[in-house]
Amino acid sequence: AQSVSQHNHHVILSEAASLELGCNYSYGGTVNLFWYVQYPGQHLQLLLKYFSGDPLVKGIKGFEAEFIKSKFSFNLRKPSVQWSDTAEYFCAAGAISNFGNEKLTFGTGTRLTIIP
Amino acid sequence: EAQVTQNPRYLITVTGKKLTVTCSQNMNHEYMSWYRQDPGLGLRQIYYSMNVEVTDKGDVPEGYKVSRKEKRNFPLILESPSPNQTSLYFCASSNPSFSPAGVYNEQFFGPGTRLTVL
Repeated sequence: AQSVSQHNHHVILSEAASLELGCNYSYGGTVNLFWYVQYPGQHLQLLLKYFSGDPLVKGIKGFEAEFIKSKFSFNLRKPSVQWSDTAEYFCAAGAISNFGNEKLTFGTGTRLTIIP
Repeated sequence: EAQVTQNPRYLITVTGKKLTVTCSQNMNHEYMSWYRQDPGLGLRQIYYSMNVEVTDKGDVPEGYKVSRKEKRNFPLILESPSPNQTSLYFCASSNPSFSPAGVYNEQFFGPGTRLTVL
């Protein structure tokens, strides 16, 4: 069965610290990978996505992620976090099909708290 | 403005009283999905629809029904709600996009509906 694991449940950092959130997936075939962010009280927004090509993908707000196929990982990074990055972050994976990855599997989320 | 809307945003109800949460999108998307979000479990897909009159079960469909009679609407129906369905529910929509690796979807999420079943 497909699954997505996020091992960091809660991460606390000071402003300007570097961030790396882990994401590992287990899928039988080729997948698309996503990172979503949920700010307090808001809906999920797409940060970035990977579907093919350059394994280092850049998203909004200075975030990037690296797809490492041999490690089944898609870790999210940001060199210098800000207080406004306080949010919950979800990794998601969807198997590629002829119809699109309408069936997404999400990780359990990582709560990020940035201390001013 | 392109968006996914859900109603109601908050609902408190009692066990067994049928309810419907509506979802509507104005982006002419083919795909729509329902998720529930629970602490420590992340988001889990309940049902999805690939087009009008085409629906399929997600990972946690028990106790829920959906319908897709129009492209823009995808209501979630709880025929007999129970306390274990207390959760935060999100609707999402997307269109397939094409890449060299295949087809993928970027899902757009609604604002969420917080449901409490007493």
